[in-house]
Amino acid sequence: AQTVTQSQPEMSVQEAETVTLSCTYDTSESDYYLFWYKQPPSRQMILVIRQEAYKQQNATENRFSVNFQKAAKSFSLKISDSQLGDAAMYFCAYRTYNTGNQFYFGTGTSLTVIP
Amino acid sequence: SQTIHQWPATLVQPVGSPLSLECTVEGTSNPNLYWYRQAAGRGLQLLFYSVGIGQISSEVPQNLSASRPQDRQFILSSKKLLLSDSGFYLCVWSRDSRNYGYTFGSGTRLTVV
Repeated sequence: AQTVTQSQPEMSVQEAETVTLSCTYDTSESDYYLFWYKQPPSRQMILVIRQEAYKQQNATENRFSVNFQKAAKSFSLKISDSQLGDAAMYFCAYRTYNTGNQFYFGTGTSLTVIP
Repeated sequence: SQTIHQWPATLVQPVGSPLSLECTVEGTSNPNLYWYRQAAGRGLQLLFYSVGIGQISSEVPQNLSASRPQDRQFILSSKKLLLSDSGFYLCVWSRDSRNYGYTFGSGTRLTVV
């Protein structure tokens, strides 16, 4: 199975500032998808952004953008103009192209936004 | 629109008791279904996935089992719970498509005492 590593268990950022969450993964596949999910205290998982491995252009969604480095197997999430509502657990996820198309998640990064 | 239902929301069970968590999906057919467990302070661990009725794949050896008796029904079971089975269990569905995201259920908080 593929592995996903998030080396930052906790991060904090001042409101309106920018923060980057790190993620690395290990795979032998050439085509796959990468995702960032947000889990607020309600525990409901929310899709933040996704990246197709064959696309070189980094994905962006409003204040959220990724830095995808395929050769380095790195997929970091940048949150600009941080807001209090961004406080949550963030999970990096890898989606395989194998039968089942299952996701493999990292251990998560808990983000605190300081007013 | 598609919806996913998971119940119960919380459950407290004694060690050695059986377990049955149920998940159903509405508004779609032939979904891929998944069970994940989120232990305290840890990420989401894939337990089982199913691409069709009666088809179950297990990711990790454990005390749990899964079944898919109907197209849109996915059940997580145990004959005898262990303390280590405590955690937050999430049912997930997705289309059998590489670029389709996951839709998560609301989760079940299981505490084994």
